[in-house]
Amino acid sequence: AQKITQTQPGMFVQEKEAVTLDCTYDTSDPSYGLFWYKQPSSGEMIFLIYQGSYDQQNATEGRYSLNFQKARKSANLVISASQLGDSAMYFCAMSGGYSSASKIIFGSGTRLSIRP
Amino acid sequence: GAVVSQHPSWVICKSGTSVKIECRSLDFQATTMFWYRQFPKQSLMLMATSNEGSKATYEQGVEKDKFLINHASLTLSTLTVTSAHPEDSSFYICSASRDRVPYEQYFGPGTRLTVT
Repeated sequence: AQKITQTQPGMFVQEKEAVTLDCTYDTSDPSYGLFWYKQPSSGEMIFLIYQGSYDQQNATEGRYSLNFQKARKSANLVISASQLGDSAMYFCAMSGGYSSASKIIFGSGTRLSIRP
Repeated sequence: GAVVSQHPSWVICKSGTSVKIECRSLDFQATTMFWYRQFPKQSLMLMATSNEGSKATYEQGVEKDKFLINHASLTLSTLTVTSAHPEDSSFYICSASRDRVPYEQYFGPGTRLTVT
């Protein structure tokens, strides 16, 4: 069975600082995908970044980067130069493969609060 | 981009009644749609996976007869909460995936259901 673990229920970070949100996962499948989503108070799920299990390089999308350490089964999200608008709930998630039809399971989430 | 809508965005119903929530992919054909529920301050829990023209696959512990899912076309999936009770009050979110775009799922804005 697949499992996603986020151990930080909440974090406070000063504006403009970098922040790392932790995520570990467990799966016996050799092929899987890892995601990070942002959920602001409005409730919508905003896709941030994706990492495939066979991808050699860490994924980056603008200010977001995913620190993928396969041997440790970790997929931490790094947000550089945090902004007030980054305050939201962040979910790490995993799918069972590359197919878009693969179901996604979510971690418990980390609430990030950016201080001005 | 790929847009998914949900209707209604919020609904209040009386205990014992049924409520239908629609999930539409507006600018693409969604071969697979997923339904999640989210309780306050908690993560998204996958309820079921639906494929157009076939029966939905429910996750363990989800009552099939209570949460009826129909994926009648490539752009529409519906979730009907039958004989709703206050404990069914939750935030319901759908997502849709399309062929030829690996791994990405597109989330709807969610429907907040309150059962009184």
